[in-house]
Amino acid sequence: LAKTTQPISMDSYEGQEVNITCSHNNIATNDYITWYQQFPSQGPRFIIQGYKTKVTNEVASLFIPADRKSSTLSLPRVSLSDTAVYYCLVGDDDMRFGAGTRLTVKP
Amino acid sequence: SQTIHQWPATLVQPVGSPLSLECTVEGTSNPNLYWYRQAAGRGLQLLFYSVGIGQISSEVPQNLSASRPQDRQFILSSKKLLLSDSGFYLCAWSLGRVSQPQHFGDGTRLSIL
Repeated sequence: LAKTTQPISMDSYEGQEVNITCSHNNIATNDYITWYQQFPSQGPRFIIQGYKTKVTNEVASLFIPADRKSSTLSLPRVSLSDTAVYYCLVGDDDMRFGAGTRLTVKP
Repeated sequence: SQTIHQWPATLVQPVGSPLSLECTVEGTSNPNLYWYRQAAGRGLQLLFYSVGIGQISSEVPQNLSASRPQDRQFILSSKKLLLSDSGFYLCAWSLGRVSQPQHFGDGTRLSIL
């Protein structure tokens, strides 16, 4: 199973771009990379999923280098409401959420 | 569109009492279903998952059990709750294919006294 490593916490300010990187050195050929967002007392919410290169939706972008051993979730111009925990999951680990990255956006 | 319902939102139970949490999904057929528990400030711990009616896989041995009596119904139970069963319980569903994202309910906050 691919194991993921991501920072425990990050701080940012409103209006800034935030990049959260996840390492997954043992990613398998068929594995997709999935990111979730969780607010306090709510279930995680799917943000974005990708396999390679770049994926963009209305919420975020996901950058995946050619070797796929890492991925970066990019949140453009964050606001206070983006304060949450962000989880990176890979392949069969879609069922295994780690501690995630606690993002705090300050005014 | 698909929706997931989980209830109750909060529950306070005495030690040794039974438990039944229910989760239902609408708008899809034969989903994969999951039960997670989350301790305060921690990540999610997978408890059970199911790929079909009557098919339950247990990830963590404990005094909890799960059942799937209908295609879109998933129930988490206990005969006797322990203090350590306190936590935030989340139900989720996904399409029954590899790497399909999960969709979560609003959770049940369970406090054991």
